[in-house]
Amino acid sequence: DAKTTQPTSMDCAEGRAANLPCNHSTISGNEYVYWYRQIHSQGPQYIIHGLKNNETNEMASLIITEDRKSSTLILPHATLRDTAVYYCIVRVPRNTDKLIFGTGTRLQVFP
Amino acid sequence: EPEVTQTPSHQVTQMGQEVILRCVPISNHLYFYWYRQILGQKVEFLVSFYNNEISEKSEIFDDQFSVERPDGSNFTLKIRSTKLEDSAMYFCASSERGRWTGELFFGEGSRLTVL
Repeated sequence: DAKTTQPTSMDCAEGRAANLPCNHSTISGNEYVYWYRQIHSQGPQYIIHGLKNNETNEMASLIITEDRKSSTLILPHATLRDTAVYYCIVRVPRNTDKLIFGTGTRLQVFP
Repeated sequence: EPEVTQTPSHQVTQMGQEVILRCVPISNHLYFYWYRQILGQKVEFLVSFYNNEISEKSEIFDDQFSVERPDGSNFTLKIRSTKLEDSAMYFCASSERGRWTGELFFGEGSRLTVL
């Protein structure tokens, strides 16, 4: 699975959009990009995933660059409850069950 | 909203003792997983389980670990003879379509402390 690089930490004001970048420059054509988050020490929570098209759901939007070497997770109106560690993961769905979590980005939303 | 539930939330045990961690996956899910997170470290995959057998396991999942689905609702992780380094948060997860979606639902975790 391709390696991902994320900033260690980011801040965001409550109510503003949080844009979390992820670099996956070695991604292969059949690897999907997944985003999970972990609030405090709770279990990870699935957010969104995509292959090459931009995706949106009730939680977030995922923007994948045309060359697929990077992506951005957007939380459109961050709240204090969005404070968490956000993980960007790439994998080929048919090859493996496992998700490989890195160290992620610690997002702090402040009032 | 359906959720994965885990018990106990915290267990303290002596080194060498057997521990069983229990999980109730979401009812219509067919794929089950255990992950663990040692304090301050990454979330690590242990094992996946489908159709009453292990479908994938990591190098961490050695002979001291076993999983079982003893009935239609529970999914358990047994650690036969605990070691100090088994102290961690253990997360159970379930999925409706397994690896094809990568959308896993995780429980709140069971914290295991080995003394």
